[in-house]
Amino acid sequence: AQRVTQPEKLLSVFKGAPVELKCNYSYSGSPELFWYVQYSRQRLQLLLRHISRESIKGFTADLNKGETSFHLKKPFAQEEDSAMYYCALHRTGANNLFFGTGTRLTVIP
Amino acid sequence: EAEVAQSPRYKITEKSQAVAFWCDPISGHATLYWYRQILGQGPELLVQFQDESVVDDSQLPKDRFSAERLKGVDSTLKIQPAELGDSAMYLCASSIGTPEQFFGPGTRLTVL
Repeated sequence: AQRVTQPEKLLSVFKGAPVELKCNYSYSGSPELFWYVQYSRQRLQLLLRHISRESIKGFTADLNKGETSFHLKKPFAQEEDSAMYYCALHRTGANNLFFGTGTRLTVIP
Repeated sequence: EAEVAQSPRYKITEKSQAVAFWCDPISGHATLYWYRQILGQGPELLVQFQDESVVDDSQLPKDRFSAERLKGVDSTLKIQPAELGDSAMYLCASSIGTPEQFFGPGTRLTVL
């Protein structure tokens, strides 16, 4: 069985402040984690994946297997970061995604 | 830029009626997914196709839901009969077989 937990349904930060969206997972296989984002009136889209270890729109996420976490971080939040963020676990055998419940980030001007 | 298309965007129906949703994936994407997203929750996989074959329908309520992808291109998801609890956003996504999935705009279903 697998589990993806995003403990915060809502998160508000001021513009310019650091932001961290939490994601914890439980999976018996080798985990591949992703962050998907949905901006207002737009489609759900991939933000970043842990294996690429890249920074997208200033966001980074590090897979911590010891803590089974994949938190999304950005040092200075921008208003355009306001969106719904979903952490997702790739089930390698089935080749599909298992999503968390999401966190709505609001960046206050 | 190629996108996943879905129709209709909105559907209102009465309980016990039949509804159908259509999805056209990005050309060349062999894998197609249908998700259900209830308000306040993340997308939940209903069915996954590889070409025309179902590879995962473990979460599909088969007594009332059916899905097909006859020619391995576009797909239809049907609910018959619809129940009040089926009110949700139904998302379609496609991929070339990698974990990155491309999502459509969704169909918002309201069952009265």
